[in-house]
Amino acid sequence: DTGVSQDPRHKITKRGQNVTFRCDPISEHNRLYWYRQTLGQGPEFLTYFQNEAQLEKSRLLSDRFSAERPKGSFSTLEIQRTEQGDSAMYLCASSLEYRNTEAFFGQGTRLTVV
Amino acid sequence: QKEVEQNSGPLSVPEGAIASLNCTYSDRVSQSFFWYRQYSGKSPELIMSIYSNGDKEDGRFTAQLNKASQYVSLLIRDSQPSDSATYLCAVKDNNNDMRFGAGTRLTVKP
Repeated sequence: DTGVSQDPRHKITKRGQNVTFRCDPISEHNRLYWYRQTLGQGPEFLTYFQNEAQLEKSRLLSDRFSAERPKGSFSTLEIQRTEQGDSAMYLCASSLEYRNTEAFFGQGTRLTVV
Repeated sequence: QKEVEQNSGPLSVPEGAIASLNCTYSDRVSQSFFWYRQYSGKSPELIMSIYSNGDKEDGRFTAQLNKASQYVSLLIRDSQPSDSATYLCAVKDNNNDMRFGAGTRLTVKP
């Protein structure tokens, strides 16, 4: 296992278009997190899954954002009708569900909305 | 709202000095605490985890936790220019939700 993998690494899109990102977690990890990070800020929590169940969504997550983890393995994050304010690094992390376990991050997907 | 607070810095120390990074958290029932390092344009990587009150040492890094004061810190001894990065404090609560602070930018000057 090579760790958490995200695809694509970079995405440039026009305002109003839809984009979808993929995250493949470490295989035995049942927790999967999505974060958004803008320049100079720490990762901002968006949502997380335990297996295929989406357990929490941030209040900051507008209805243009949707995430899935259909078989409890990989996850997708879709942004509909992108806006310039959506430009950010989207980070995926995975962990085991137990308390004293760390999360491991993927390399992120950098989204630029023009 | 569960908060994790860090001084954004920048914190500048000379090479060889001790760098001290601090973090406070608002959720009293938080159980697990992590320090991540993030180089510019890269994703966060784990440096240290700490779960019990007291100190935990790993090489040049020491994490300190005081649950009563809701405070966790990271000390970097013999700081090197390669330590220059943003350091993120992360806290897991009883639901295993992981929240991050905004990070402290550290610069180690040769």
